[in-house]
Amino acid sequence: KQEVTQIPAALSVPEGENLVLNCSFTDSAIYNLQWFRQDPGKGLTSLLLIQSSQREQTSGRLNASLDKSSGRSTLYIAASQPGDSATYLCAARPNAGNNRKLIWGLGTSLAVNP
Amino acid sequence: GAGVSQSPSNKVTEKGKDVELRCDPISGHTALYWYRQSLGQGLEFLIYFQGNSAPDKSGLPSDRFSAERTGGSVSTLTIQRTQQEDSAVYLCASSLVGGETQYFGPGTRLTVL
Repeated sequence: KQEVTQIPAALSVPEGENLVLNCSFTDSAIYNLQWFRQDPGKGLTSLLLIQSSQREQTSGRLNASLDKSSGRSTLYIAASQPGDSATYLCAARPNAGNNRKLIWGLGTSLAVNP
Repeated sequence: GAGVSQSPSNKVTEKGKDVELRCDPISGHTALYWYRQSLGQGLEFLIYFQGNSAPDKSGLPSDRFSAERTGGSVSTLTIQRTQQEDSAVYLCASSLVGGETQYFGPGTRLTVL
């Protein structure tokens, strides 16, 4: 059974720091892995999606990596800003035919202090 | 363009009452998902609609939960005889057919007293 774990559960950093959020999964047979951002009262926003054949994806100051063999993904945020404060969730898609049953981590709550 | 909308944003009800939660997906999105997010737990898949196909109801936690999608657009999640453990944020998402990216609504926070 696939399980997704995110550490740390919470993180507080001063503005400008580079930081790494971690996501681990128990079953390496995933189709893809996605990172989402959740803001209070605004639902979830998809940030990056990494296919199983890819090693990383980049969007602006965000870079997500995937290492299937070790069951790990990281989300790197460069030059953090107060506007980055949110909860970051990762979700693994188990296989090609099961898009709807993403397996979710509990998230990392990030606070970037000005 | 408009994103996924959900109503109400907050719902407080008494144990034993029925509630209906509404989701308006993005126009043209044929796939619609319902999730539940309980305090301290990850998102839990509830049900999935894809076009005119039979919905995947495998995530519904009990027969008190049901959902409809009328005209391939708006969806309603109904919880009958609510229990305190039903208290959670209920999230709806939609995507293009075969699309990887799910677009989420702001959620409905349900509190059962």
